[in-house]
Amino acid sequence: AQSVTQLDSHVSVSEGTPVLLRCNYSSSYSPSLFWYVQHPNKGLQLLLKYTSAATLVKGINGFEAEFKKSETSFHLTKPSAHMSDAAEYFCVVSDQRDTGNQFYFGTGTSLTVIP
Amino acid sequence: DAGITQSPRHKVTETGTPVTLRCHQTENHRYMYWYRQDPGHGLRLIHYSYGVKDTDKGEVSDGYSVSRSKTEDFLLTLESATSSQTSVYFCAIKTQGRNTEAFFGQGTRLTVV
Repeated sequence: AQSVTQLDSHVSVSEGTPVLLRCNYSSSYSPSLFWYVQHPNKGLQLLLKYTSAATLVKGINGFEAEFKKSETSFHLTKPSAHMSDAAEYFCVVSDQRDTGNQFYFGTGTSLTVIP
Repeated sequence: DAGITQSPRHKVTETGTPVTLRCHQTENHRYMYWYRQDPGHGLRLIHYSYGVKDTDKGEVSDGYSVSRSKTEDFLLTLESATSSQTSVYFCAIKTQGRNTEAFFGQGTRLTVV
C-alpha cells in the first residue's frame, strides 16, 4: 500500500528566503512521486515528478525536489520564495503495479509568503 | 489540461436529491478518477475506472456511484445528497507508461443545503 505524509500543514516564509516543504512516503514497490500546486480556487498543476530517473528533479518556477530512498523522502525546495508561490502544495505517490494505478495524496501544505 | 472538462462547475442542491457530475476527456485515456477535496484531508479517491464499464471503489465511496459507458465520459452520482457531501470534486485522468502523470479537471464545487 502507498501513503504520503506531509510533515507541515502550514509553512510561512519571507519573500526572497528559501522554501522547504517536507514529504515522506510509504510504498511497497518503486514509486513515482509528484508535487502538485493549487492556487486559491484553481485546479491542480504539476510542479515536478520523479519516475525512477535522476533523483534530483527540477520543476517549474524554480522548484526542485530530491528523491531519497533511504529516508523515504521527497522534499520540495526553492532557493528564493516569490509572492506568487503562495498556494497549497500536495505531495503524491503512485505505482503502476498498485491496483487501479491510484494516486495517493498527502493532506497538503499551505505556503504563505510574507512581503 | 489534457482535454478534461467537468460539468457543472458549481451546483447547489437540497438534501436528499440525486446529483450527477460529469467528467469528459478528449484524449482517450484509459484511467479516470473522481476525487473529493476537503480541508485537512487533501484529495481522497471516491471511485476510479480502468476502462469502459470497468470501475472500482476508492477510499470514500459510500453514497456515491459511477458509470462509464464511453471512454470519454465518467459520471459521478450522489444518489441522495447529504450535507457531508458538500465538497469540491475533481476528475482526473492518468497517462500511462514511464512518463506517467495525472491531469485534473478544474473542479466542481457542490453545496448540499
